[in-house]
Amino acid sequence: GESVGLHLPTLSVQEGDNSIINCAYSNSASDYFIWYKQESGKGPQFIIDIRSNMDKRQGQRVTVLLNKTVKHLSLQIAATQPGDSAVYFCAENRGTSGTYKYIFGTGTRLKVLA
Amino acid sequence: DTAVSQTPKYLVTQMGNDKSIKCEQNLGHDTMYWYKQDSKKFLKIMFSYNNKELIINETVPNRFSPKSPDKAHLNLHINSLELGDSAVYFCASSQGGLSTGELFFGEGSRLTVL
Repeated sequence: GESVGLHLPTLSVQEGDNSIINCAYSNSASDYFIWYKQESGKGPQFIIDIRSNMDKRQGQRVTVLLNKTVKHLSLQIAATQPGDSAVYFCAENRGTSGTYKYIFGTGTRLKVLA
Repeated sequence: DTAVSQTPKYLVTQMGNDKSIKCEQNLGHDTMYWYKQDSKKFLKIMFSYNNKELIINETVPNRFSPKSPDKAHLNLHINSLELGDSAVYFCASSQGGLSTGELFFGEGSRLTVL
């Protein structure tokens, strides 16, 4: 099936350090990307998005970088906290004509060490 | 108020049975989705409806039949359940059109087929 990103890896980070989660996407025509956070037993929650006409977008403690040349997204979390422990997914939109068809990556599990 | 709600949260059933999962959103969104998340956390789109009209059908077996009685509801009926149908099913909604397209997910319905 279609997929974005790699097999589910785990990233362990010390509390207070910065985290960088990476994602590779496959369709150069994708125009919109979202990072989602999924905590155990819950549905994915929106973190931050970016359109293909941008290469960087910042939110509160999070930054998304987009490199269209190599079809790569990254999510940077500053001063990682225990509450950041979750599985993080990137998603690319392959919809057309105003529709949204999101293809999700396989996710990265972030573990925050006290 | 829960924005996207699904019932039931857990469903355990025997192979060959027929079951339904219901979803409702109170966000006033035009578009609703069903996603399947397997044991490896991979999220795959199944269906999408826009204003009660099917717009995405990702080659899901025809044992799966979505139904949208109105734009606030999207139900999923599964006939002749198989072991491989065991997964967590997520309903989501988005505004679509010229908006950001952010998906709002429900809490998921864990289906276990014995």
